[in-house]
Amino acid sequence: DVKVTQSSRYLVKRTGEKVFLECVQDMDHENMFWYRQDPGLGLRLIYFSYDVKMKEKGDIPEGYSVSREKKERFSLILESASTNQTSMYLCASSTTGAATRYSPLHFGNGTRLTVT
Amino acid sequence: KQEVTQIPAALSVPEGENLVLNCSFTDSAIYNLQWFRQDPGKGLTSLLLIQSSQREQTSGRLNASLDKSSGRSTLYIAASQPGDSATYLCAAAGGSYIPTFGRGTSLIVHP
Repeated sequence: DVKVTQSSRYLVKRTGEKVFLECVQDMDHENMFWYRQDPGLGLRLIYFSYDVKMKEKGDIPEGYSVSREKKERFSLILESASTNQTSMYLCASSTTGAATRYSPLHFGNGTRLTVT
Repeated sequence: KQEVTQIPAALSVPEGENLVLNCSFTDSAIYNLQWFRQDPGKGLTSLLLIQSSQREQTSGRLNASLDKSSGRSTLYIAASQPGDSATYLCAAAGGSYIPTFGRGTSLIVHP
């Protein structure tokens, strides 16, 4: 079974802090994604990566950056946390190429971040 | 840009009912469509994935169908149980392989 692990389930940070959210997958997947989920807004894509050191902006990248130094790890960075970044953050991974047509997207359990 | 809509937004049914959740998408050029379940405060669990060349997929009491030409997918849950209570999301993946999600249907099955 594919396992996507997010390092923290709950996180409380103060406004202005630099925040790191970590995600690790164990299936050698090429693609990794960061979403945030808010009531009434659904899942919104922040960033994705299709290879080591590669990254692409999603729909709402402002205030975030990402790092992918190793294939299995994809980090989301809040450069200076603000209260409007309080949300549920979800990491996901999938494989690529022709197999992507058939490869499910696998999610971690999420990190509930509160910025005070 | 792909848009995915799920109707209804919420559903409450008695145990034992068969029910249908709907998902529609605007761009029929998809590679696959995936259904997920999400329990409160948790991540998404993949239920079924239908490839673009397929019409349906089944897993236990779940059956998902896909009609690309009309831009629709349905998730059929047979003999619903209280343990089926959760939010169900669909996601359509096109040429970029990046799935577009609907906002989900919140299901409550009461005993």
